Parts: sequence; C-alpha cells; structure tokens
Amino acid sequence: EPEVTQTPSHQVTQMGQEVILRCVPISNHLYFYWYRQILGQKVEFLVSFYNNEISEKSEIFDDQFSVERPDGSNFTLKIRSTKLEDSAMYFCASRERGPIGYGYTFGSGTRLTVV
Amino acid sequence: AQKVTQAQTEISVVEKEDVTLDCVYETRDTTYYLFWYKQPPSGELVFLIRRNSFDEQNEISGRYSWNFQKSTSSFNFTITASQVVDSAVYFCALSERNNDMRFGAGTRLTVKP
Repeated sequence: EPEVTQTPSHQVTQMGQEVILRCVPISNHLYFYWYRQILGQKVEFLVSFYNNEISEKSEIFDDQFSVERPDGSNFTLKIRSTKLEDSAMYFCASRERGPIGYGYTFGSGTRLTVV
Repeated sequence: AQKVTQAQTEISVVEKEDVTLDCVYETRDTTYYLFWYKQPPSGELVFLIRRNSFDEQNEISGRYSWNFQKSTSSFNFTITASQVVDSAVYFCALSERNNDMRFGAGTRLTVKP
C-alpha cells in the first residue's frame, strides 16, 4: 500500500538553528499538509499546499515557517531559528484529488527536539 | 468555523469491558467528513474510519462500531470487549467542504489486563 514517507524520524537541533523536515507524499496525490503535535497535546493543522502554493495556513504558521515542493516528489517544512516550543512531532499528509474528506494519508512523523 | 470536542480526556477500563469514546462536532457546512484516528504509543496516526455527512448509517468493523447522529452532532466510537492492545490516544477529526482536517483534543484510553 502506498505510504507517505517522512525523514528523519527524529531530529535534535539547537535553539536558533534552521531545520528542514522532509516528506515524500504518495505519488499521485495533489494536496499536501503539515500538522504538528506537541507532546501530549492535540494534532494541530499548520498548512495545506496545492498547485505549488499554500492554500490555507493556521495562526501557528507564522513567518518562521515555510513550505516548498522543490521537485516532483518532496514536500518540505522549513523552520527558521527554532525555539524550544517548536519541539513536537510533525506529521506530513497527502491526499488525492476529490472530495476533501477522501484519501488523507499520514506519514509516521518526525519528532523534532529543540535543545 | 469547524470545531471538534472530545470531552473525555482519559478513560481507563479493564480488559473485556466495552467503552465508548465521545465526539461532538460543530460545523456550518452541510457537506463535511468525520474521522477517527488511533495513535498508539509508537506515535503514528492510524486511520480507523471516515464518514460523510450524508451517510448516517452506523458502521461496525469487528470490535469497533461508530454511531453517527446528525441530530446531536455526534460521532461516537465504541470498542466492544476491549483489549490491552486498544490502549492508545484516539482522535476524532472533521473536514468541512472547503477547509482542511481539524482534530479534537483526543481521548487517552488505557485498557488494563
């Protein structure tokens, strides 16, 4: 069964550094997402991406964050100047064309630890 | 704006008991989708079920069943004869027609042997 692949599974970075979280969505999917889950808390929507641009973003997704689809397969989340409170699990998801409720597939997540 | 409420923060049961996880949602759309995900201790999100707003038929899958009631804006999840392996955090989520998926706060289920 097709999977969404996220790398790395765990990343440790120093406060103030930039990190790039990588995702390879399912190949025929057209909509891409990033979600964040601070330890023990809910899964929060960050951003959605379609047709090479951001289609929606939450209030969490400020200027510190950016997303990119640099080639036909990768979808990245960049966090500039990381803060301690950026420590969380970051999930990538993708879905196929069609009704919004269909075809969401989540990756297994990247656990980011900012020290 | 869409909103999902899971009022039960934590539930603890003994193996073989039945347990129901509550989910109440708010939306102004007539077309929307509801989901349940399981998050085991390993951390990944495991898809359990999707329901669209036009299909109120209840669903049963093995020991799992879901009760969708538009009249009360609820989409409750019942595990029958619970097992230790059911221990996880369970999230209810909602997608409106033009918005992306939003999750409830989750319910941590602990099944004791």
